[in-house]
Amino acid sequence: AQSVTQLDSQVPVFEEAPVELRCNYSSSVSVYLFWYVQYPNQGLQLLLKYLSGSTLVKGINGFEAEFNKSQTSFHLRKPSVHISDTAEYFCAVTTGAGSYQLTFGKGTKLSVIP
Amino acid sequence: NAGVTQTPKFRVLKTGQSMTLLCAQDMNHEYMYWYRQDPGMGLRLIHYSVGEGTTAKGEVPDGYNVSRLKKQNFLLGLESAAPSQTSVYFCASSYPLAFRWTDTQYFGPGTRLTVL
Repeated sequence: AQSVTQLDSQVPVFEEAPVELRCNYSSSVSVYLFWYVQYPNQGLQLLLKYLSGSTLVKGINGFEAEFNKSQTSFHLRKPSVHISDTAEYFCAVTTGAGSYQLTFGKGTKLSVIP
Repeated sequence: NAGVTQTPKFRVLKTGQSMTLLCAQDMNHEYMYWYRQDPGMGLRLIHYSVGEGTTAKGEVPDGYNVSRLKKQNFLLGLESAAPSQTSVYFCASSYPLAFRWTDTQYFGPGTRLTVL
């Protein structure tokens, strides 16, 4: 079985500052990794995903993440945040074939301070 | 193209009452899922379906039943609601690539359920 740990439950950051949201996973087999964003009172939408290939993945709204197999990490970064990035961010993992379950982390609330 | 829709958006039940949550998608997706979201817990999978007429249990299935009679609809039922089922419920759908589950899940806006 796989598991996901999001190391920070809340991250406050000033507008235009860089941010990193940390995600570590545990799995005995190869994984596929996702970051989702949830704006207040809305459903989740995909930011980016790693399936294979380049370990640096670029997503929407200027976010990117790097898959590090040796560190079992998939940290999300943005060089300069905007007020509109205030939301909750979820890291998720699946092992794919034969297993249809996405396992989510507990989420990180990003608060951008003007 | 509405994507994934959920009905109702809000509901308050008394302990022991029953209700059905409806999820509908217009993207011709094969796979559909029901999750619950609780503060500090992330999302947990309740049940899922890999096609019309098929359902399977997820991580937290107890107290819930599901049906997928039509490809575009996935129903979540609570036969006898309990306060522990107070939560926000999200439906999602996806279309697997080459029969491997690697594609994006698209989420509905959620149903906020309170059980008194």
